[in-house]
Parts: sequence; C-alpha cells; structure tokens
Amino acid sequence: GQNIDQPTEMTATEGAIVQINCTYQTSGFNGLFWYQQHAGEAPTFLSYNVLDGLEEKGRFSSFLSRSKGYSYLLLKELQMKDSASYLCAVRSGNTPLVFGKGTRLSVIA
Amino acid sequence: KAGVTQTPRYLIKTRGQQVTLSCSPISGHRSVSWYQQTPGQGLQFLFEYFSETQRNKGNFPGRFSGRQFSNSRSEMNVSTLELGDSALYLCASSLSSAVETQYFGPGTRLLVL
Repeated sequence: GQNIDQPTEMTATEGAIVQINCTYQTSGFNGLFWYQQHAGEAPTFLSYNVLDGLEEKGRFSSFLSRSKGYSYLLLKELQMKDSASYLCAVRSGNTPLVFGKGTRLSVIA
Repeated sequence: KAGVTQTPRYLIKTRGQQVTLSCSPISGHRSVSWYQQTPGQGLQFLFEYFSETQRNKGNFPGRFSGRQFSNSRSEMNVSTLELGDSALYLCASSLSSAVETQYFGPGTRLLVL
C-alpha cells in the first residue's frame, strides 16, 4: 500500500514564504502531484514532479527527492487568496493517484 | 474549453434511499475517475472509467457503482444510503488515464439524514 503524510494545518503571514511538506512511502513511484483546493471548491492542479529537483512556476515551486520519499510545495509572497488546502498525491505504476489528507493553510494579515 | 461539470451540486437523501450523480468530462477527455472526500479520510478513489469500461476500482462496498456512456459522460450510483455516505463526491477527467493530470469538477455534496 501507500502512505502519504502532510501536516494538517499551517498558518503564515501575508507576504511571507511557506513550505508545505509531504512524505510518502510507495513502491513503483511514478510521479507526485500538488493540488490546491479552496473551501467548497474543486481541487485545481498546481504542479507535477517525477524527477528529483525543483520545479518553479511563478510564486509556487515544488521539490522532489525520490530517495527520501519527500516533496515540498513552496509558496512565496503569500497572498490572502492562497488560504486553501494543499493536497499531495502520489502515482505508483499505472494505478490511480493516492492523495494525502491535505494541509489547510491560513494566511493572516 | 468548458471544464468538468457535475450535477446536481447539492443533494439531501435519507438512509436507505439511492442516489445517482452525473459527470460530464472536459471535451476530448476519455478517462473519468470518481472520488469521495470527507474531512476525516480526505480524497479516496472510488473508480475509473475509460471507453465505457471500469478500469480501476477503489476499496468501497458494492453499493457504490458507476458507468460510462459512449460520449464519455459518467454516472455513479450509491444504493441503500448510509449516514457515513455523506461526503463531497468529486469527478475528475483526464485524456486517457487516471495516471495523467486530472482535472476536477466542482463536486456534488451529498447529505444523508
């Protein structure tokens, strides 16, 4: 089976940087996704990592270390609209994605 | 391009009833997956359909079923509803497989009383 862990809640200040960690245990790792979900809305795709290293996309970056079973999502210049849940999901082989329970981020003034 | 649409958006049912939820994928997407989302368990995979065939199934009882039509639209059905079935049901579509980037619909919020 697969095990995905991420912190339940985090709080950060507007304008700051926050790092949301995700650790996973799986066999046949085949990619890691990050999704953003605002309350009452659908998850939206943020990033995809399959090779080690950092993928940058505007204010958001995602990092992967396959040997450590570890990823993080980095959000810079935080805005109030970044308050949302952030879901880490892992793909193994050709099986469907397995999602973590999500990290609820609150951005405060 | 229109996104994934789901109907209805909200539903209230009583225990023992059955419910059918509908999902229309993004045009050109042939894979449709269904997920159940609850505060305690997060997003859990129900099943995936491709070309009218169920390709993968999650760990849910047989009361949960689904189907896909030739136009890739999909329905899921839950029979003999239980209180614990109250959840947000999300549909996601992708081009050809659930292992690709999935795009989610707004969900159907089901409340079982």
